[in-house]
Amino acid sequence: GAGVSQSPSNKVTEKGKDVELRCDPISGHTALYWYRQRLGQGLEFLIYFQGNSAPDKSGLPSDRFSAERTGESVSTLTIQRTQQEDSAVYLCASSSGRWGRSYNEQFFGPGTRLTVL
Amino acid sequence: AQSVTQLGSHVSVSEGALVLLRCNYSSSVPPYLFWYVQYPNQGLQLLLKYTSAATLVKGINGFEAEFKKSETSFHLTKPSAHMSDAAEYFCAVTIGYNNDMRFGAGTRLTVKP
Repeated sequence: GAGVSQSPSNKVTEKGKDVELRCDPISGHTALYWYRQRLGQGLEFLIYFQGNSAPDKSGLPSDRFSAERTGESVSTLTIQRTQQEDSAVYLCASSSGRWGRSYNEQFFGPGTRLTVL
Repeated sequence: AQSVTQLGSHVSVSEGALVLLRCNYSSSVPPYLFWYVQYPNQGLQLLLKYTSAATLVKGINGFEAEFKKSETSFHLTKPSAHMSDAAEYFCAVTIGYNNDMRFGAGTRLTVKP
């Protein structure tokens, strides 16, 4: 079946503009995650959804960042008034885990490379 | 708080040599641990995972990892490195009683001919 997809694959924007990044998880996956990966660095956790609820928003770096999810489907990460330090690859992952402890694997999308000029 | 520490941001080995990538974790509950690999310009893919069934876990491409509770470690090894193993490797741990996961900072493996 289809994997996690993300769009756009690349986004170049001007400082101060808003951007929306989209993630389509694997069908039936209830958990969805957003990460940021700056050039040459590790994964920085941003937010986690279980269904359309976000029990953990602790990683969002500022109030310019927000995310929403429709049911157990697509998620959108929005960055308002983009800054140059927002330039990074934004990765989305999904897993089939339900409420309660799970060791289900996270499946990653290819990422969206955001460049803020 | 649950977390993962990967010792060494860069590791370089010769082709055919042992690969050892270190990962230590902290968790207030019995952990589930993972190793992911990211090849250049590609997404992350799962190498192997520990889910308490066996302490020595075998993964793809000849990699394995051993869970050592007394050392809070989950080091990744491969007996003989191949050039194709050059990539970024991430250790991860599930935290708490949900599906939340935290990743280490990553270790970049270079394989010299």
